[in-house]
Amino acid sequence: GAVVSQHPSRVICKSGTSVKIECRSLDFQATTMFWYRQFPKQSLMLMATSNEGSKATYEQGVEKDKFLINHASLTLSTLTVTSAHPEDSSFYICSARGVGGNQPQHFGDGTRLSIL
Amino acid sequence: DAKTTQPNSMESNEEEPVHLPCNHSTISGTDYIHWYRQLPSQGPEYVIHGLTSNVNNRMASLAIAEDRKSSTLILHRATLRDAAVYYCILRDVIQGAQKLVFGQGTRLTINP
Repeated sequence: GAVVSQHPSRVICKSGTSVKIECRSLDFQATTMFWYRQFPKQSLMLMATSNEGSKATYEQGVEKDKFLINHASLTLSTLTVTSAHPEDSSFYICSARGVGGNQPQHFGDGTRLSIL
Repeated sequence: DAKTTQPNSMESNEEEPVHLPCNHSTISGTDYIHWYRQLPSQGPEYVIHGLTSNVNNRMASLAIAEDRKSSTLILHRATLRDAAVYYCILRDVIQGAQKLVFGQGTRLTINP
């Protein structure tokens, strides 16, 4: 089946550090990629949607200058959390969907970000 | 995005069938019904989706009411590995970015 690889799986770093998370679709071309955030015991919250070669569309309340998204190719999207602070600690999950109107979304295994 | 309603939690026994309900009374004609599940500390996993007819795959079956205002995910023979949070989500294949918006889901516990 379709596989989405997310890296790294876990990051622990100091406050003020910028952290980059990669999301790759391994066996299909992902025209659209999505980034979610999940706090403990809560559901996934959509942060942004990105289409290859164009600017990401952010959900209301998500700071685009804080969470930089790049979707430069059909198999790779990156999320950079700039100048991370403890309140940015969360489980970040990417998702990708292939070409076609009704393709299912496939998810990576998530990145657990802990800011000290 | 059209809203779904699911029970917060359900419990079942190993090797028994499980029926997970979902209400979506405001579903539109172009909304597909998607089911995903999330195991602890993992990303969601696609389970099944459908529009009007019942659907079967190797993981589960999806029974859709005739008026499409509700659906049921059926796990025919639950195993311990099926313990997860199950999300029922509507996705419009025509409008917007066709994004998946997650609700709270149903936490399924399987007893050995």
